[in-house]
Amino acid sequence: GQSLEQPSEVTAVEGAIVQINCTYQTSGFYGLSWYQQHDGGAPTFLSYNALDGLEETGRFSSFLSRSDSYGYLLLQELQMKDSASYFCAVRDRTGTASKLTFGTGTRLQVTL
Amino acid sequence: NAGVTQTPKFQVLKTGQSMTLQCAQDMNHNSMYWYRQDPGMGLRLIYYSASEGTTDKGEVPNGYNVSRLNKREFSLRLESAAPSQTSVYFCASRAGTGHVELFFGEGSRLTVL
Repeated sequence: GQSLEQPSEVTAVEGAIVQINCTYQTSGFYGLSWYQQHDGGAPTFLSYNALDGLEETGRFSSFLSRSDSYGYLLLQELQMKDSASYFCAVRDRTGTASKLTFGTGTRLQVTL
Repeated sequence: NAGVTQTPKFQVLKTGQSMTLQCAQDMNHNSMYWYRQDPGMGLRLIYYSASEGTTDKGEVPNGYNVSRLNKREFSLRLESAAPSQTSVYFCASRAGTGHVELFFGEGSRLTVL
């Protein structure tokens, strides 16, 4: 089966940098995704890493180390609107389609 | 540009009642998914469908059935609702091979009394 671990909560100050870690165990690994979810809302896609290294998209970056089964999401220049839950998810393939298995989420609170 | 549409948005059931959650996407996506979300549990996959006519079980399929009616629609049925099925249900779709992003609906909040 698949399992993912990420911290349950993180607090950071506006303008700061925060890193949310994710470790995973899975078979048939294709890649690691990150999703953001505001309270009461739907998850939205942030980034995807299939290969080792850093992917940068604006203020957000995501890193993957396949050999360590580890990844992280880096949020820079934090803004109040970044307060949300962040989920890592592994993409693997069993059955007839690839599917995403999500971690339990990290709740980020950005304070003044 | 509707994306993924779920109905109903809210529902209250009594134990033993049945109901169907409807999901439709207008993006011509091949793959569709049903997840449930409970506090502290993240998103757990119930069922998914690679394409019209195929369905597969996810992590937590017990107590649910699904139908991929056509390429657009993927419904989730609770035949005999239980309080343990109180949750927020999300439908999602993905374009298909080579595409990684899941597009989610706004969720259906189900309470079973």
